[in-house]
Amino acid sequence: EDQVTQSPEALRLQEGESSSLNCSYTVSGLRGLFWYRQDPGKGPEFLFTLYSAGEEKEKERLKATLTKKESFLHITAPKPEDSATYLCAVQAFNYGGSQGNLIFGKGTKLSVKP
Amino acid sequence: NAGVTQTPKFRILKIGQSMTLQCTQDMNHNYMYWYRQDPGMGLKLIYYSVGAGITDKGEVPNGYNVSRSTTEDFPLRLELAAPSQTSVYFCASSYISAPQSSPLHFGNGTRLTVT
Repeated sequence: EDQVTQSPEALRLQEGESSSLNCSYTVSGLRGLFWYRQDPGKGPEFLFTLYSAGEEKEKERLKATLTKKESFLHITAPKPEDSATYLCAVQAFNYGGSQGNLIFGKGTKLSVKP
Repeated sequence: NAGVTQTPKFRILKIGQSMTLQCTQDMNHNYMYWYRQDPGMGLKLIYYSVGAGITDKGEVPNGYNVSRSTTEDFPLRLELAAPSQTSVYFCASSYISAPQSSPLHFGNGTRLTVT
């Protein structure tokens, strides 16, 4: 069965304390892996798409990497405004042509204290 | 641009009542989707549409109906509301599908409580 597992469920960091969030996945064939950020009371906001093992993408203090079994979201010197829930989702080849047929993880809630 | 707009933001229904959750997008996206998000769970796809007049079931379609008469609008209908439909509902849209995947753009959700 295709599934996505994110860890940890919650992470508390001090401002400036770098860390990583993990997204492990089991799919029959990976079409793409997506990272989203979700603030309380808001919809998810797109961050990155990764397609193949070895690929990396960066945006400000965030860097996403992909292997054949997992993805990491590295947060370097986080600030309080980075506090949010980070969602990982995968699209498998056997879900047909719609990119909306994503399998979402439960998310990691990140809190960054000043 | 407003992006994806959902109304209402909050709603309380009694068991057996019906309602329509509204979703409209102004980005001229062909693809639109409805997800539900339950506490501590991942987003689940309810229905999606690849264009006006075309809809299809997602992972959890039971108890819901959709229509897509225009590119902009994709309403979700709940008939005979049940407590199990208490959730936060998100509408999303995207320009094109894989392999040249474009990201999903989400609305800010409708929080529905059925009592």
